[in-house]
Amino acid sequence: GENVEQHPSTLSVQEGDSAVIKCTYSDSASNYFPWYKQELGKRPQLIIDIRSNVGEKKDQRIAVTLNKTAKHFSLHITETQPEDSAVYFCAASKGSNYQLIWGAGTKLIIKP
Amino acid sequence: NAGVTQTPKFQVLKTGQSMTLQCAQDMNHEYMSWYRQDPGMGLRLIHYSVGAGITDQGEVPNGYNVSRSTTEDFPLRLLSAAPSQTSVYFCASSYRNSEQYFGPGTRLTVT
Repeated sequence: GENVEQHPSTLSVQEGDSAVIKCTYSDSASNYFPWYKQELGKRPQLIIDIRSNVGEKKDQRIAVTLNKTAKHFSLHITETQPEDSAVYFCAASKGSNYQLIWGAGTKLIIKP
Repeated sequence: NAGVTQTPKFQVLKTGQSMTLQCAQDMNHEYMSWYRQDPGMGLRLIHYSVGAGITDQGEVPNGYNVSRSTTEDFPLRLLSAAPSQTSVYFCASSYRNSEQYFGPGTRLTVT
């Protein structure tokens, strides 16, 4: 079946450095790719998303890139801050459907 | 807009008891879904609905029932609670291929 692989499972970076989280998807019909941030004890919240007709999208310190040929997409966070510490989930739409297929999550730790 | 609301926030059940987790949204979203999230783990889809009167199973449907009689409401019923159902339950809603909005979650403990 369709799946989304996410790496790494844990990422520890020095405050001020950049962080990159990578995802690979299997469904070639997927056309919507969101990234969610989940702080401890809270609900997941969308931080950025990208659609298949776009290769890159940026929002201040956060960017997402998509390579449809390789079925890869990545989250880039620059100038990391303590409040970036959280679990990040990538997801891919199941075809052009409503469902999302979720990655397993990356715990991002920002070291002071 | 209240967004997605869930009740209760916390619940403790004894093995074998049944209960209903409530979920409502006021954004007129066609799609609603239920996930469970075990400690330190990801999101697993239990059941979903693409409109009133239409429901389908997700990845882990056993032990749970749903119904969708209105666009706004999507309750999740636990038929006979088991300790393995101890988890945090999130309801989410969206339009097609758009942001899924999550409710605040229900923390369920089954003893």
